[in-house]
Amino acid sequence: GDSVTQMEGPVTLSEEACLTINCTYTATGYPSLFWYVQYPGEGLQLLLKATKADDKGSNKGFEATYRKETTSFHLEKGSVQVSDSAVYFCALSDQSGSRLTFGEGTQLTVNP
Amino acid sequence: GAGVSQSPSNKVTEKGKDVELRCDPISGHTALYWYRQSLGQGLEFLIYFQGNSAPDKSGLPSDRFSAERTGGSVSTLTIQRTQQEDSAVYLCASSFNPSGANVLTFGAGSRLTVL
Repeated sequence: GDSVTQMEGPVTLSEEACLTINCTYTATGYPSLFWYVQYPGEGLQLLLKATKADDKGSNKGFEATYRKETTSFHLEKGSVQVSDSAVYFCALSDQSGSRLTFGEGTQLTVNP
Repeated sequence: GAGVSQSPSNKVTEKGKDVELRCDPISGHTALYWYRQSLGQGLEFLIYFQGNSAPDKSGLPSDRFSAERTGGSVSTLTIQRTQQEDSAVYLCASSFNPSGANVLTFGAGSRLTVL
């Protein structure tokens, strides 16, 4: 079945540091890929998505590129802020959209 | 409504009791999903509804778990004879139309604690 593997956390960075959270997936066909974020005390919300190979999703300074050859969708940001502290989830959806399969989540803490 | 609404936000119950968790999706969203988030774990898929039918209920962990959806809107997740391992945050999400690229909107969750 489909699966998503994220780098283990937690990740602690200083403000303005570079961020990369690795995500790889296993799926048949052509899944869509997502990053969701869960800020403290809030519900999950979409951060960005990509629906086909070589697409780049971007939002709030975060980027991720759908790499079919390496089955990866790594999340990157050039300069993190304290307000980026949250749990980040990589996810994939098959073409039917009947379920979203999530990774384990990565806790990010950014210190001033 | 403006967002996905879940109730109760917190529920503490004794082992062996039944609980019902409610989800009110965004108006017009035909697809509805239940997930479970246990402490330190990722999100575990439970069940998916398209309209009132559940074409995928493969994630329900045991026959103590059931869910229904009526009127293509509100859904109820029922856990019978609760066990301590059922303690988790139960998340509901909805989307306008299921497709691979659709975005799920999540509710804030119902935190269940079984003593």
